[in-house]
Amino acid sequence: EAQLVEFGGGLVHPGGSLRLSCAASGFTFSSDWMNWARQAPGKGLEWVASINQDGSARYYADSVKGRFTISRDNAKNSLYLQMNSLRAEDTAVYYCARSRNNANDYWGQGTLVTVSP
Amino acid sequence: TVLTQSPGTLSLSPGDRATLSCRASQSLSSSYLAWYQQKPGQAPRLLIYGTSSRATGIPDRFSGSGSGTDFTLTIARLEPEDFAVYYCQQRGGSFGGGTKVEMK
Repeated sequence: EAQLVEFGGGLVHPGGSLRLSCAASGFTFSSDWMNWARQAPGKGLEWVASINQDGSARYYADSVKGRFTISRDNAKNSLYLQMNSLRAEDTAVYYCARSRNNANDYWGQGTLVTVSP
Repeated sequence: TVLTQSPGTLSLSPGDRATLSCRASQSLSSSYLAWYQQKPGQAPRLLIYGTSSRATGIPDRFSGSGSGTDFTLTIARLEPEDFAVYYCQQRGGSFGGGTKVEMK
């Protein structure tokens, strides 16, 4: 069965940077689109970014465009999210998810990012 | 495309039928609409993809329907474990604001 595990979250100051990782197992990672989504405390889900199988196509929510970069390493079965110029409103649990049939069928457990002075 | 879910909260009892709405700001292919369930402290779980196809392991009391701009998730008879927040999503991208199904 597919498994996704995120790590790399933590406390960062406004304006700082953080890199999240997502380790994939149990499926052929290089065959699937992958996504990042987030959820601020007490709020709903927000799509953040998507990347295609070979990394040649990447899409971002307007709220993170120009600050966040999604990438992947198929040899390491890993997905990444480089987050720069972090703001308080980026505080959230960040999830990685596999995309199939235009839906996210497997999700990680999430990693918490807190942006605070 | 903006997705608007209604109602914001649904207060029902076990055994009731739940009808949740998701309206898109522009017409969507039926292939692009999915529904998720989320319980406190847990990651979302895929229920329905392609408007009406149940994900693996999802009970048949969950069903999806709709076309164009109006989509519906129906839970035929609520079980205690169904009280949760439900989100629609378009094409693996933007989500609706969610509907909380709470116990009356």
